[in-house]
Amino acid sequence: EVQLVESGGGLVKPGGSLRLSCAVSGLTFSTYTMNWVRQAPGKGLEWVSSISGSSSYIYYADSVKGRFTISRDNARSSLYLQMNSLRAEDTAVYYCAEGGSYGLENWGQGTLVTVSS
Amino acid sequence: DIQMTQSPSSLSAFVGDRVTITCRASQSISSDLNWYQQKPGKAPTFLIYGASNLQYGVPSRFSGSGSGTDFTLTISSLQPEDSATYFCQQSYSTLYSFGQGTKLEIK
Repeated sequence: EVQLVESGGGLVKPGGSLRLSCAVSGLTFSTYTMNWVRQAPGKGLEWVSSISGSSSYIYYADSVKGRFTISRDNARSSLYLQMNSLRAEDTAVYYCAEGGSYGLENWGQGTLVTVSS
Repeated sequence: DIQMTQSPSSLSAFVGDRVTITCRASQSISSDLNWYQQKPGKAPTFLIYGASNLQYGVPSRFSGSGSGTDFTLTISSLQPEDSATYFCQQSYSTLYSFGQGTKLEIK
């Protein structure tokens, strides 16, 4: 069974930083593209970033480019999202999701990030 | 960037009804269109990939069609457990994007 478990969310002040983690099990992690997708309270889904299995290809949504950094540790089967210069509009549940051009097949349960003073 | 627009934003239907949700892309995305279902407080689940391919385990009452810019998700006979929000997503561009969602309620 594939499992994705996010952690690292919490309350942070505007301008602050936070690092999210996603622990993955049940698949050969290094061969899968991974993504972060977020959902603001009561809103729709917004793709944030993706990273290929070897970390060769990395992409960001314009809304987070230059502030967020996606990375992975294949030895630990873990995905990360370093979030800097956080803004109120970054408040959301952040999901990690496995998949690429054929869709996002497996999702974690999400971790809530709240940016507020 | 590719914009995805879903319609309607919400709808209400009876058990047994045939329901169709539309998704339109701002440019041609071939068949690189995926559908997800999300229930309140839960993560999305993967329904359909490549516009018309049912993910393993998804009931056959769900189907998808379309190519280019116009796509549809159809539920042939609505069931109570289908009450949820449905999202389309394009994977044609490396910068993925979702539609705004369609909230489906059971009358």
